[in-house]
Amino acid sequence: DAGVIQSPRHEVTEMGQEVTLRCKPISGHDYLFWYRQTMMRGLELLIYFNNNVPIDDSGMPEDRFSAKMPNASFSTLKIQPSEPRDSAVYFCASSLRGRPLTGELFFGEGSRLTVL
Amino acid sequence: AQSVSQHNHHVILSEAASLELGCNYSYGGTVNLFWYVQYPGQHLQLLLKYFSGDPLVKGIKGFEAEFIKSKFSFNLRKPSVQWSDTAEYFCAVNPNNAGNMLTFGGGTRLMVKP
Repeated sequence: DAGVIQSPRHEVTEMGQEVTLRCKPISGHDYLFWYRQTMMRGLELLIYFNNNVPIDDSGMPEDRFSAKMPNASFSTLKIQPSEPRDSAVYFCASSLRGRPLTGELFFGEGSRLTVL
Repeated sequence: AQSVSQHNHHVILSEAASLELGCNYSYGGTVNLFWYVQYPGQHLQLLLKYFSGDPLVKGIKGFEAEFIKSKFSFNLRKPSVQWSDTAEYFCAVNPNNAGNMLTFGGGTRLMVKP
């Protein structure tokens, strides 16, 4: 079975450039999460979607960050303009609700972003 | 606001030593609890989970965790670690009424010396 697929795996860019990270969730999952992992702050939830609708974006650091989910099989996280402090590993995860007990997230392999 | 605390940020053990990683959460209601593991260069994987029932849960690779409701804790244990257990371990909490939203602790980096 295909898991959560993220691209690119690695991105190196210069400050001020636009960065777009992509995620394909597991087919049939109706929740999608974007997390950011840094040494200083650990794993932070940026935003999550349910049925393609953003539910909570309170973790998005600032207006330079935006996320979309145009359909059930695709989501993007965009940073414009990028800054060196955005350097991190960005994880996408998906999950399925509709059962009594939930909460298991399936993570992608992450996109490692370096902003010079 | 709900929080998850992992007090040990770095742990170094020799092979065959016993492991216990602490996890405490602040949410007062009913919760689901998880431990995830991230091996070097890999994505997070579910190690074990607790939803209800027996507070001592067993996961993969010989790991177990005990839910102590009175202490708001869900500590991870393994009787004898191996070099291959070197990884970062994350505790996560999901309140039963919060959909699929997980709050993660800051992680504990475990290094096992051969």
